[in-house]
Amino acid sequence: DGGITQSPKYLFRKEGQNVTLSCEQNLNHDAMYWYRQDPGQGLRLIYYSQIVNDFQKGDIAEGYSVSREKKESFPLTVTSAQKNPTAFYLCASSTTFTGEQYFGPGTRLTVT
Amino acid sequence: GQQVMQIPQYQHVQEGEDFTTYCNSSTTLSNIQWYKQRPGGHPVFLIQLVKSGEVKKQKRLTFQFGEAKKNSSLHITATQTTDVGTYFCVHISNFGNEKLTFGTGTRLTIIP
Repeated sequence: DGGITQSPKYLFRKEGQNVTLSCEQNLNHDAMYWYRQDPGQGLRLIYYSQIVNDFQKGDIAEGYSVSREKKESFPLTVTSAQKNPTAFYLCASSTTFTGEQYFGPGTRLTVT
Repeated sequence: GQQVMQIPQYQHVQEGEDFTTYCNSSTTLSNIQWYKQRPGGHPVFLIQLVKSGEVKKQKRLTFQFGEAKKNSSLHITATQTTDVGTYFCVHISNFGNEKLTFGTGTRLTIIP
């Protein structure tokens, strides 16, 4: 059963803690993406990766970090430097940068 | 980061009425994609437009890409309650400088 998974669905953290969000795909896609969505807003690109061991900053990369050590995995770390981390985080993958994106179910992060 | 404006931001229509959302860019696009996000869900790919002046249809949905490749529209004929959700356009450019930007979205509500 091919697809893209994110875990956990809900995540709660205290302010000042780093937290890592998981994203895994078995679609054999080269490109992967992380987006942030705030209530009633569109998606904003945090980071993307077009190939293993390479990634680029999106529009709002400050306070976030990523790694792409495996084709299947693209974890996102929300660091304590991110001023407003509470949001809905969506991971996606596609065959190429301009291709159709498949989204995971998302992780709702709440930081208090 | 800059987001792409879609109009209108919200649209409430009586079931059976038509609906249109518009997406505009100041720069020429490589291609444009459209996604639908149901309330509480994740975006799902609808269509990709690549050619200048392209028109594509999916049942009651009609997608258009402008002649100058700077604007696009999504038109739904005879809306149904299943059409409820937020519709996003995605601007993608890979003319030297890669750029991927989600539109601000149009939230469609259907009045039964």
